Amino acid sequence: AQTVTQSQPEMSVQEAETVTLSCTYDTSESDYYLFWYKQPPSRQMILVIRQEAYKQQNATENRFSVNFQKAAKSFSLKISDSQLGDAAMYFCALRSYGQNFVFGPGTRLSVLP
Amino acid sequence: DGGITQSPKYLFRKEGQNVTLSCEQNLNHDAMYWYRQDPGQGLRLIYYSQIVNDFQKGDIAEGYSVSREKKESFPLTVTSAQKNPTAFYLCASSIGTTDTQYFGPGTRLTVL
Repeated sequence: AQTVTQSQPEMSVQEAETVTLSCTYDTSESDYYLFWYKQPPSRQMILVIRQEAYKQQNATENRFSVNFQKAAKSFSLKISDSQLGDAAMYFCALRSYGQNFVFGPGTRLSVLP
Repeated sequence: DGGITQSPKYLFRKEGQNVTLSCEQNLNHDAMYWYRQDPGQGLRLIYYSQIVNDFQKGDIAEGYSVSREKKESFPLTVTSAQKNPTAFYLCASSIGTTDTQYFGPGTRLTVL
């Protein structure tokens, strides 16, 4: 069975500072993808970043980057220069080959002015 | 603009009534999905379809039904058999089974 765990139900960060959201996962597959989605108050799920498990290089999208530790099954999201618009629920998700998406319970991020 | 549309945004239903939620995509994606989200929780998979005229049950399919007659459309019916249907429903699509899922804006269903 696949599982995704986000151990931080809530986090806060000062505007312009950096914050890291944690995610651990479990899968027996060797071919899989990991994702971070953002859900702002509008509730639409927005893709933040995606990582292929076979790639050793950590994915980066502007102010968003990941720390992918395959052996430890860890996939954390770092948000640099936090902005008020980053306030949202963040969901970590896992998709193994031939399997459906599995989402974590989410981390609510608050950005303090 | 390519994307996924869901309608209506808000839906109210009386107990005992069936209701159908619409999901349309113009991304030419083969796969489509329905998720349910309850307050403070993650997403749970209701049904998915990898190809036209075929669909599979997800983790919480009881009380729901779907159809996939066209590639672009994947409507979800919430039947009276669903014991606690009040929730936020999200539709998603992807090119293939291992690709990124893209989501619609969601429908908030409230049973009165």
